[in-house]
Amino acid sequence: AQTVTQSQPEMSVQEAETVTLSCTYDTSESNYYLFWYKQPPSRQMILVIRQEAYKQQNATENRFSVNFQKAAKSFSLKISDSQLGDTAMYFCAFGGDQKLVFGQGTRLTINP
Amino acid sequence: GAGVSQTPSNKVTEKGKYVELRCDPISGHTALYWYRQSLGQGPEFLIYFQGTGAADDSGLPNDRFFAVRPEGSVSTLKIQRTERGDSAVYLCASSFLRQGKKGEQYFGPGTRLTVT
Repeated sequence: AQTVTQSQPEMSVQEAETVTLSCTYDTSESNYYLFWYKQPPSRQMILVIRQEAYKQQNATENRFSVNFQKAAKSFSLKISDSQLGDTAMYFCAFGGDQKLVFGQGTRLTINP
Repeated sequence: GAGVSQTPSNKVTEKGKYVELRCDPISGHTALYWYRQSLGQGPEFLIYFQGTGAADDSGLPNDRFFAVRPEGSVSTLKIQRTERGDSAVYLCASSFLRQGKKGEQYFGPGTRLTVT
């Protein structure tokens, strides 16, 4: 069974700073996908970024990038130039064609 | 285009009652998923449909929970004899399984179920 662990329950940074959220996972599969989802108070889960396990290059989406270390089973999210609108719960998720397995989440607060 | 929609947004029911939660996926998405999110937790998988059939229902907690997708589009999650422990946000997601977008699920806003 797959497991996903987010070891940081809460984080807080000042606006414009860079912040990194950690995620580790465990699986015996070789072909899978990893995701970071953002969940603001509206509770809508929003896809932030995805990474295919077979790709060595780290995914980037504007201010969001990942550090994917397949051997270490680590998948961290870096948010550059953080903005007030980045305040939300962030979930790391492991998946493929079927179900997603989510971590417990990290509550990120961006302070003005 | 429209995203995943879920109705109702909030549902309060008494213990022992029957409830139905509805999900309208993104048009053309072949796969539909239900998750349950308890307070302070990440979403947990309940059931997955590919077309009309339930491809994986291993996450349903017990036989009080049932879901259908009769025409391969809209899905309904049904909970019988509700218990206070069923209180949670029920999230629906859909995806279109094609190369390049494989595994990418788009979520609805959820239904918050409260059992009193």
